[in-house]
Amino acid sequence: LAKTTQPISMDSYEGQEVNITCSHNNIATNDYITWYQQFPSQGPRFIIQGYKTKVTNEVASLFIPADRKSSTLSLPRVSLSDTAVYYCLVGGGSGNTGKLIFGQGTTLQVKP
Amino acid sequence: DSGVTQTPKHLITATGQRVTLRCSPRSGDLSVYWYQQSLDQGLQFLIQYYNGEERAKGNILERFSAQQFPDLHSELNLSSLELGDSALYFCASSVGPEYDGELFFGEGSRLTVL
Repeated sequence: LAKTTQPISMDSYEGQEVNITCSHNNIATNDYITWYQQFPSQGPRFIIQGYKTKVTNEVASLFIPADRKSSTLSLPRVSLSDTAVYYCLVGGGSGNTGKLIFGQGTTLQVKP
Repeated sequence: DSGVTQTPKHLITATGQRVTLRCSPRSGDLSVYWYQQSLDQGLQFLIQYYNGEERAKGNILERFSAQQFPDLHSELNLSSLELGDSALYFCASSVGPEYDGELFFGEGSRLTVL
């Protein structure tokens, strides 16, 4: 499974757009990129997944360049409730086995 | 609600003791994953089971063991407990044996070892 690198922490203000970038230089051809959100004392929750280009859902967008060695989670107009830890996870696709390893994640603090 | 149920939610015990944490996966999911999260630490992968068989192993201590039963629920057994074992233990489930992009996590079991 590809190793991921993310910033440890980020600060933002309510109403701003937040972009969190994850590096995954040794991503495999059949790996997907998935982002999870975790609130204190809760289990992580799936946000979005993509393979290449851009994916958008009701809560976020995921931008993946052509070389797929990085990805950027974009949260539009964040609110205080978006304060959480965000994890980038790379893997999946046929032929991948377990050992799903989460990195240290990015702690996002949204201020009023 | 993810559909994954973990019990107990909280557990306080003493060093040297043994505890069992239980996980019921989402209906239809055959894979169960166990993770440990200590204070200010990330999620540490422990072990994965698929349809009753061990599928992948992470940094699980020899004092810890797990199994998945025919009804697909799983138990994580922690023995000879040490202070450092105090953590949140999460169970997650997914449909198949291979990670397909979405894990469903339970609310966790918070273990405190005194």
